[in-house]
Amino acid sequence: QQQVKQSPQSLIVQKGGIPIINCAYENTAFDYFPWYQQFPGKGPALLIAIRPDVSEKKEGRFTISFNKSAKQFSLHIMDSQPGDSATYFCAAHTGGGNKLTFGTGTQLKVEL
Amino acid sequence: GAVVSQHPSWVICKSGTSVKIECRSLDFQATTMFWYRQFPKQSLMLMATSNEGSKATYEQGVEKDKFLINHASLTLSTLTVTSAHPEDSSFYICSAPGQGHNEQFFGPGTRLTVL
Repeated sequence: QQQVKQSPQSLIVQKGGIPIINCAYENTAFDYFPWYQQFPGKGPALLIAIRPDVSEKKEGRFTISFNKSAKQFSLHIMDSQPGDSATYFCAAHTGGGNKLTFGTGTQLKVEL
Repeated sequence: GAVVSQHPSWVICKSGTSVKIECRSLDFQATTMFWYRQFPKQSLMLMATSNEGSKATYEQGVEKDKFLINHASLTLSTLTVTSAHPEDSSFYICSAPGQGHNEQFFGPGTRLTVL
């Protein structure tokens, strides 16, 4: 019940394309859904996050779509650039305890 | 955003020795910090929750006596890998919640290699 399932495992897009990464969860107690970007040898960095009372959130080129009834959320990267090549993790969090449950990660490569 | 640092960024040690990794919150206080372990091309696995002034809470399957955690102050938590073996080689990352208690800020990680 604590799992967050993430797909795809890897993704290659052309520069300017819109990669989409999907996550699904089971635990309805999750109330905060962040996305993290991680470059090799570095710690994860928070990209964007959403709460379940909102269906979409946009920050710059990054958009989260959230479907509460389906218990799914996704990350869209508009006008992707080679510098976006990294591993992306979705996560879920419950209000108490601050513990994060991570998805399995998606390795994104943006080609010129 | 808030900054979390880790020291060292990488360490190589011989099998059987102990290694200490520090995690500091630089511009905020953290009564709780988290320690994760990440193997190559895998996700972050929560090892334990470090609590200032009290014992750490370990996740199931994590050996408390092997991974000693001390939350010495509101800005410092340490993870000591005792009697390290090659299978302990991994990327160790700490995090601390920000003021909003939902955001978590991650350190840059420590690469441990045990020979």
